[in-house]
Amino acid sequence: SQQGEEDPQALSIQEGENATMNCSYKTSINNLQWYRQNSGRGLVHLILIRSNEREKHSGRLRVTLDTSKKSSSLLITASRAADTASYFCATDDNTDKLIFGTGTRLQVFP
Amino acid sequence: SAVISQKPSRDICQRGTSLTIQCQVDSQVTMMFWYRQQPGQSLTLIATANQGSEATYESGFVIDKFPISRPNLTFSTLTVSNMSPEDSSIYLCSARPRLTDTQYFGPGTRLTVL
Repeated sequence: SQQGEEDPQALSIQEGENATMNCSYKTSINNLQWYRQNSGRGLVHLILIRSNEREKHSGRLRVTLDTSKKSSSLLITASRAADTASYFCATDDNTDKLIFGTGTRLQVFP
Repeated sequence: SAVISQKPSRDICQRGTSLTIQCQVDSQVTMMFWYRQQPGQSLTLIATANQGSEATYESGFVIDKFPISRPNLTFSTLTVSNMSPEDSSIYLCSARPRLTDTQYFGPGTRLTVL
């Protein structure tokens, strides 16, 4: 399978703490995208990082990319209960198709 | 960006029947895709919906089971044919607008087959 791996599979933290999720993939990529999914609903696009970028920020989100290790991380700072969701990374290998990681389930307790 | 709607949002169907899911995008897009998300799993690409030609299916998915139409640049349908309980999943449509690499997703269709 070409599917990427994410770890941890599940993460539980208190409000205000930071959450870090990691994604590893197998092929060369054009870009990597992070998504959030609440309770089995549609995916919300969070951030896209290109293969020639190493770090990107958007609000409380920070994404890093290491193409030599074929890995990426998503950091959510000062987490809130509303951040409770599943988070997926997805890679675009320049074929326009996204290959999704296995996902991380984040639970933020108030 | 692109705003995507899907109909129906959910359905409960009997085995052996078929269901057609509609996907509408609020702007013309170059690429449209259909994904399946089985319970507790990640997303798997079913096919790329090509405007004016046959869809391109991924390994493990065939046209007879998942016929797809894309009559124009904003609309696509996915039919799940001759359903069995194993087809119970969330089916998601996505689109990539022109001049962007970002893929946007619809809210999904939750299908339960009894």
